[in-house]
Amino acid sequence: KQEVTQIPAALSVPEGENLVLNCSFTDSAIYNLQWFRQDPGKGLTSLLLIQSSQREQTSGRLNASLDKSSGRSTLYIAASQPGDSATYLCAASQGGSEKLVFGKGMKLTVNP
Amino acid sequence: GAVVSQHPSWVICKSGTSVKIECRSLDFQATTMFWYRQFPKQSLMLMATSNEGSKATYEQGVEKDKFLINHASLTLSTLTVTSAHPEDSSFYICSARGGTGDSSPLHFGNGTRLTVT
Repeated sequence: KQEVTQIPAALSVPEGENLVLNCSFTDSAIYNLQWFRQDPGKGLTSLLLIQSSQREQTSGRLNASLDKSSGRSTLYIAASQPGDSATYLCAASQGGSEKLVFGKGMKLTVNP
Repeated sequence: GAVVSQHPSWVICKSGTSVKIECRSLDFQATTMFWYRQFPKQSLMLMATSNEGSKATYEQGVEKDKFLINHASLTLSTLTVTSAHPEDSSFYICSARGGTGDSSPLHFGNGTRLTVT
């Protein structure tokens, strides 16, 4: 059974810092891994999707990497801004299904 | 991009009543939709997989008679919380894949905050 862990649970940084958000998963037999952003009381916004055959994906200031052998994914946020403040969730597919297993998320606060 | 619309965004109901939540894929067809539940400061927990034209597949521990799912068309899935109780108060979110298979990202609605008094 897939389990996804995100540590730390919360992070507070000054504006402008480059950030690293970590995600680990127990079952390396994944189809894909997806990073999401959730604002308070809102749904999820998909940020990046990495297929099992890929090592990384980039979108603007965001870069996500995937290392299946070690069961890890990392989300890099360059030059953080106050608008990046949100909860970031990592989700890995479970085995051969479309089901995603979510981590508990990391609450990011970027201070101006 | 793919848009998933969820309605209502919030609802307050009395204990014992039923509440229906709609999830629509606005600009794409979704043969499969997923329903999640999220408690405060917790992760999303998959409740069930909604399949167009067939019965939903429920996760272990989820009461199918309490959480009725209907996926009558390729763009609409509904979740009905029957005989709601205060412990059913939660944030319910639906999602759908914007394409076929696992190669497309999962898109989420904005969620429904259910409060049962």
